[in-house]
Amino acid sequence: GEDVEQSLFLSVREGDSSVINCTYTDSSSTYLYWYKQEPGAGLQLLTYIFSNMDMKQDQRLTVLLNKKDKHLSLRIADTQTGDSAIYFCAETSGYSTLTFGKGTMLLVSP
Amino acid sequence: DTAVSQTPKYLVTQMGNDKSIKCEQNLGHDTMYWYKQDSKKFLKIMFSYNNKELIINETVPNRFSPKSPDKAHLNLHINSLELGDSAVYFCASSPFPGPDNTEAFFGQGTRLTVV
Repeated sequence: GEDVEQSLFLSVREGDSSVINCTYTDSSSTYLYWYKQEPGAGLQLLTYIFSNMDMKQDQRLTVLLNKKDKHLSLRIADTQTGDSAIYFCAETSGYSTLTFGKGTMLLVSP
Repeated sequence: DTAVSQTPKYLVTQMGNDKSIKCEQNLGHDTMYWYKQDSKKFLKIMFSYNNKELIINETVPNRFSPKSPDKAHLNLHINSLELGDSAVYFCASSPFPGPDNTEAFFGQGTRLTVV
């Protein structure tokens, strides 16, 4: 079945850039997403990218997609302490289901 | 206004009990979902309904029964609760099913603890 994998933990200093990586196995993925989960909160959609795009930029967020390698990354520029959260990569290819990775915990230190 | 709301937010119950979690969306979406997030933060889809009809039913014990009285509500009923059912359950909705769906809105989650 489909699988989405992410590294579990990333620690950066405030002001640095963060890069969270994700790999997926389903070659028929049409949309790929990044969700953010803050402690005690639900999932918040950060951004998404169509599978026919290589890059999407949205303010401090840059999403890069390498469809050949099935690799997705999320870059957060000028990372702030408020960015500390768990970031989930997700993909959809079929009937509206989302396959999520296990999440990457981003810890931003002052 | 909360787009997708779940109740209760926290639920602590004993093994063997039957409990329900309610979900309502006010977005006018046709499709609703239940996801389970386990202790390792892995999110797995359980059910999906479109216009009150079940369209996705992953491998979930039949102790779990979703009920959709109308397309704005998708409730999750769990019979004979077990320790392994402890998790955070997320409800979500999206405008329609299919590969053109670009956004799913999630509720805040219900933390279920079975003791």
